[in-house]
Amino acid sequence: SQTIHQWPATLVQPVGSPLSLECTVEGTSNPNLYWYRQAAGRGLQLLFYSVGIGQISSEVPQNLSASRPQDRQFILSSKKLLLSDSGFYLCAWSDSITDTQYFGPGTRLTVL
Amino acid sequence: TQLLEQSPQFLSIQEGENLTVYCNSSSVFSSLQWYRQEPGEGPVLLVTVVTGGEVKKLKRLTFQFGDARKDSSLHITAAQPGDTGLYLCAGYSGGSYIPTFGRGTSLIVHP
Repeated sequence: SQTIHQWPATLVQPVGSPLSLECTVEGTSNPNLYWYRQAAGRGLQLLFYSVGIGQISSEVPQNLSASRPQDRQFILSSKKLLLSDSGFYLCAWSDSITDTQYFGPGTRLTVL
Repeated sequence: TQLLEQSPQFLSIQEGENLTVYCNSSSVFSSLQWYRQEPGEGPVLLVTVVTGGEVKKLKRLTFQFGDARKDSSLHITAAQPGDTGLYLCAGYSGGSYIPTFGRGTSLIVHP
């Protein structure tokens, strides 16, 4: 069966510091991968998605970037965090056959 | 731009009551998913519906996809405190990698 992991679970970072959030998927090949941000337990904002290694599409211009160095690894990064980067970050995967996304446990990021 | 309107945004009820959450759009979707999310956790898939008029049941939860595949509803019978959470609907258009998410319905069931 497929599983998706995210780490860390929580993170507190000062303004101006770098960021690296990691997401890995097990039990599937060539998944579509997604990064979302969720504010205050409400709707999901799509940040990036990837349909293959090295292929990244950005949905919202911002202070963040994403990379996919391996088939089942998706990384969200920032060189200098802003206060507005605080939020709940979710990674998700889907396959090309079923139109369904499966989410990781999320990372709570607080920028102080 | 496709939109999925969820209603109500907030719902606070007593244990044992019934409730219905709606997800509406002017666009046609090839499939639609419902998720439940608890605080501090990722959304968990409840169901996927793909056929117009389809009805699926998951214990006390009943999901319906509209005949025209533009809307969906989630009905919970005899709600329990364990049903508390954020309910999200998401729809896919044919050929798109990107689902459209509703803004969610926050449900609180009081014992």
